[in-house]
Amino acid sequence: ILNVEQSPQSLHVQEGDSTNFTCSFPSSNFYALHWYRWETAKSPEALFVMTLNGDEKKKGRISATLNTKEGYSYLYIKGSQPEDSATYLCAFQTGANNLFFGTGTRLTVIP
Amino acid sequence: NAGVTQTPKFQVLKTGQSMTLQCAQDMNHNSMYWYRQDPGMGLRLIYYSASEGTTDKGEVPNGYNVSRLNKREFSLRLESAAPSQTSVYFCASRQGAHGELFFGEGSRLTVL
Repeated sequence: ILNVEQSPQSLHVQEGDSTNFTCSFPSSNFYALHWYRWETAKSPEALFVMTLNGDEKKKGRISATLNTKEGYSYLYIKGSQPEDSATYLCAFQTGANNLFFGTGTRLTVIP
Repeated sequence: NAGVTQTPKFQVLKTGQSMTLQCAQDMNHNSMYWYRQDPGMGLRLIYYSASEGTTDKGEVPNGYNVSRLNKREFSLRLESAAPSQTSVYFCASRQGAHGELFFGEGSRLTVL
């Protein structure tokens, strides 16, 4: 069982604020790092899958960076909107099929 | 596009009863997975099937069995349900070892 830590556990921001969360994972046996967005009463949806140290991915106002040597990834949201309110999950993948999920960061964007 | 479909969405069982959760995907993915979600914990892998005809244990396989019926379908069976198996179960699929997971809508199971 691997330890994947996400911080903070929850976060409230004002509409228009930019914010970021952290995912920490073991620095050995790295295969990939996933980010998912999970809205209440829906199923998780993929944001990014990153595989290389130094990877940076962007989708609209959301971006992510990856440091496999030190075992962390950051997710950034620029200019938060109420529709960004969700739980953001990261998953550390070691091997072809083993993904270990963190408990998520719950983001609430206040209009 | 249906994606990943799970049934049933809700189920209440008594201790010792058996049931099967069904999962089907229409994306022609090779790999399929069953996860459980419990309060305060991350999604935990129960079983997975890397390809049709193969299944392997994940992190928390005890008390469960699976069947990869064909490329589309992957079922999860509880032979003798226990209260500790009260959880929300998610089926997922993906194509390739670096692919993103596509999740079903979840099945909420309560064992009394």
